[in-house]
Amino acid sequence: NAGVTQTPKFRILKIGQSMTLQCTQDMNHNYMYWYRQDPGMGLKLIYYSVGAGITDKGEVPNGYNVSRSTTEDFPLRLELAAPSQTSVYFCASSELAEQYFGPGTRLTVT
Amino acid sequence: GQQVMQIPQYQHVQEGEDFTTYCNSSTTLSNIQWYKQRPGGHPVFLIQLVKSGEVKKQKRLTFQFGEAKKNSSLHITATQTTDVGTYFCAGPFGGTSYGKLTFGQGTILTVHP
Repeated sequence: NAGVTQTPKFRILKIGQSMTLQCTQDMNHNYMYWYRQDPGMGLKLIYYSVGAGITDKGEVPNGYNVSRSTTEDFPLRLELAAPSQTSVYFCASSELAEQYFGPGTRLTVT
Repeated sequence: GQQVMQIPQYQHVQEGEDFTTYCNSSTTLSNIQWYKQRPGGHPVFLIQLVKSGEVKKQKRLTFQFGEAKKNSSLHITATQTTDVGTYFCAGPFGGTSYGKLTFGQGTILTVHP
């Protein structure tokens, strides 16, 4: 099992550009999450999903969108990138309590 | 909203010394989880505590959940260089038992050989 995979690993965006961060899990987990982690800080929940077709906002959803058309995939869309979105983005999945994290995407917006 | 605070923010120890990080929630938690993140890596689940006053051990790591279920601690006995990393506590919010987690800001542990 690959677990949770994320692409790309690194990305530099210009202000106003858009992009999609990809996340795939092969553990058949119903729950999936997107977090952002700023330097020296904990993780902040952006969006989460309890199953295909169901998504909901977390603590910091502004500027992001998600979709969950399959159990395996949970892409995160950034529209009109802003410097405040410079961060490391982690995708995670779970069935119960334990969350399994992907390796992360380091995004810089300049 | 719910806040989860951790202290200290940084801890530098000599190899062999003990280490403790403390976690405090502004609200009563149904459970608390602990994660470890190595430098440049991703968070990895360590444990979940559910019961009031619960104590769990994993080799040199001891986890406690407070009687009021608003605080928790992680204690490492005789640290090793492999213990280096950031330790996070996290509690569920929004009326859920798991899933929607609020993370503390973490304690960064450095171990000097």
